[in-house]
Amino acid sequence: EAGVTQSPTHLIKTRGQQATLRCSPISGHTSVYWYQQALGLGLQFLLWYDEGEERNRGNFPPRFSGRQFPNYSSELNVNALELEDSALYLCASSEDTGELFFGEGSRLTVL
Amino acid sequence: EDQVTQSPEALRLQEGESSSLNCSYTVSGLRGLFWYRQDPGKGPEFLFTLYSAGEEKEKERLKATLTKKESFLHITAPKPEDSATYLCAVPPYGWGKFQFGAGTQVVVTP
Repeated sequence: EAGVTQSPTHLIKTRGQQATLRCSPISGHTSVYWYQQALGLGLQFLLWYDEGEERNRGNFPPRFSGRQFPNYSSELNVNALELEDSALYLCASSEDTGELFFGEGSRLTVL
Repeated sequence: EDQVTQSPEALRLQEGESSSLNCSYTVSGLRGLFWYRQDPGKGPEFLFTLYSAGEEKEKERLKATLTKKESFLHITAPKPEDSATYLCAVPPYGWGKFQFGAGTQVVVTP
C-alpha cells in the first residue's frame, strides 16, 4: 500500500515568490494535515483538511493557505515568501483513529 | 503555553545501554498520547498510541508507558539503528491540531 506522497522533494524560491506543495494521502484517508518543521525547531501545526473542508488552522499568517481536492489530495500555498519560511513541510494523513502517517516532506529553501 | 515537554533534549548511549525518555503533558481530558520516531530529513514514523494511565505498549526494543501526567519511552539494549529523534504528541483540542514536543535526539554508538 502506498504511503503519503509529497512533491516536490526540494524547492528553491526567492523572497516574494509563491510556493506550491502537493500531497497525496494514503488511500482511504480523508484527513490531511500540514506541518512546518524549521531547522532545529519542532513540528508546528499549519492546517487540517477533512472531506474537502478546512477544519483547523495553526498560528500562521494568511499567506499560508491550501485546499483539499475531491480525491482528498491537498496542496499548500505559501505566498510572498520570506526567508524564515525555509523549512521542511510535512504532510500527514489519518483515519479517525488519530495516528498520523507522514510523507517524506518537501524542503523549501527561500533565498 | 507549553502543553508537551520532552526531556532530555539529547541522549547519547552506548550500544546495549538502556535508558528512558520523558514526555510530560498538561492537557486535561487526554484523548491519547502518541509517540513517533523521526530520522534526519524524513517525516516522523508512528510508533505508539497510549490512551489511559497504566497502559503500556511495546515494539522491539521500545516500550511506552503512560501516567496521568507523563509518558516514558524506554529503550532497552539499544542498537545504532535506534538512533533518531523521538517525538511525542497530544491532541489538546481534539483531532486535527496535534501538539508535538520538541523531541529527544538519541544517538546510539557501537
